[in-house]
Amino acid sequence: NAGVTQTPKFRVLKTGQSMTLLCAQDMNHEYMYWYRQDPGMGLRLIHYSVGEGTTAKGEVPDGYNVSRLKKQNFLLGLESAAPSQTSVYFCASSYSGRLSTEAFFGQGTRLTVV
Amino acid sequence: KQEVTQIPAALSVPEGENLVLNCSFTDSAIYNLQWFRQDPGKGLTSLLLIQSSQREQTSGRLNASLDKSSGRSTLYIAASQPGDSATYLCAVKAGTALIFGKGTTLSVSS
Repeated sequence: NAGVTQTPKFRVLKTGQSMTLLCAQDMNHEYMYWYRQDPGMGLRLIHYSVGEGTTAKGEVPDGYNVSRLKKQNFLLGLESAAPSQTSVYFCASSYSGRLSTEAFFGQGTRLTVV
Repeated sequence: KQEVTQIPAALSVPEGENLVLNCSFTDSAIYNLQWFRQDPGKGLTSLLLIQSSQREQTSGRLNASLDKSSGRSTLYIAASQPGDSATYLCAVKAGTALIFGKGTTLSVSS
């Protein structure tokens, strides 16, 4: 009963380095999301996907790229990490973005950029 | 633009008290509202989901209400326990994704 799994759980990057965060869900959900959580700012939507092969920008997309090659996986990439990207990243999934269905979240990835 | 506000930002109560957490949103055109719990350093755990057509949902000691026309929801916690200490987040689904409030951090002392 895995639900939504994020990899890795912790990471320290140097400024300018790149990395990819992986989100995997085993609930056959169509919709997947990436959020970041910062103190005093709450959770903000970075990118989302409404199905395999589709992606769209959220509230704070700059500096990030995403891909949804398989329905169960949603990847978040940082091409050139900056200290402002230090945050906790959460992935979520749901059956549909429009219908009234419950969203499930992963345990988060704590990223520090030095 | 939909905005979600949670008041108070922090709350401290003694064990056994009944308490209410508030959530307000600016646009009543929502699909649903979801309450989450977040423990320090952990992910979000879904507590209750209220559809836009519903007035309330209950799960154990938790009861959430929704007044869509006034843009308000409340989370009622009965007989609070130290294990209820956490941050409680409210989120509305008004389009494709959830829009979150900044949360209420609850501390229940024994």
